[in-house]
Amino acid sequence: DAKTTQPNSMESNEEEPVHLPCNHSTISGTDYIHWYRQLPSQGPEYVIHGLTSNVNNRMASLAIAEDRKSSTLILHRATLRDAAVYYCILRDPWSGTYKYIFGTGTRLKVLA
Amino acid sequence: EAGVAQSPRYKIIEKRQSVAFWCNPISGHATLYWYQQILGQGPKLLIQFQNNGVVDDSQLPKDRFSAERLKGVDSTLKIQPAKLEDSAVYLCASSFRPPPGTDTQYFGPGTRLTVL
Repeated sequence: DAKTTQPNSMESNEEEPVHLPCNHSTISGTDYIHWYRQLPSQGPEYVIHGLTSNVNNRMASLAIAEDRKSSTLILHRATLRDAAVYYCILRDPWSGTYKYIFGTGTRLKVLA
Repeated sequence: EAGVAQSPRYKIIEKRQSVAFWCNPISGHATLYWYQQILGQGPKLLIQFQNNGVVDDSQLPKDRFSAERLKGVDSTLKIQPAKLEDSAVYLCASSFRPPPGTDTQYFGPGTRLTVL
């Protein structure tokens, strides 16, 4: 199974940028990299996704390494509301159903 | 637009009892997923439906878990009989198209099951 590796936890000060890393050395050529986040007592929510190029949306930016073996989710100005568990997910290339495999994610703590 | 609805939000049962969870996906979403999330872990896919057909149930413990999506809209997940290790949050998600690649999954708030 394609796997991702993320730090268990990170801290950031409010209104500062946050860089959340993800390693995925076994990524296949057609795997998309997805990021979801899970706020306390809620289901996960979509943040951003990409294939090869860097991506931006109103929530975050996704920087993908040239060899695609790692990526970084960038929150440009962290707020208290961004405190959540962030999951980096690859499509499972060996599954004909293209299922998504969640790891344990990175718990982000934002300090006021 | 309305999000994914799940009920109940919380359920407490004793081991060996039965329990059922209900999910109503976003209108028009063809694909529906049930996940199990044990405390401290990421969600694990139990079953995936495309319309009313099962696409993947490889991680569903079929001796005790069952799920159906009869009319291709809402779905139920049942556990019978429950074990202590089934204590978890059960998440339902839906997406407009099936993967691969780019289709976003929208998650409900989940049902927290406690088995005593």
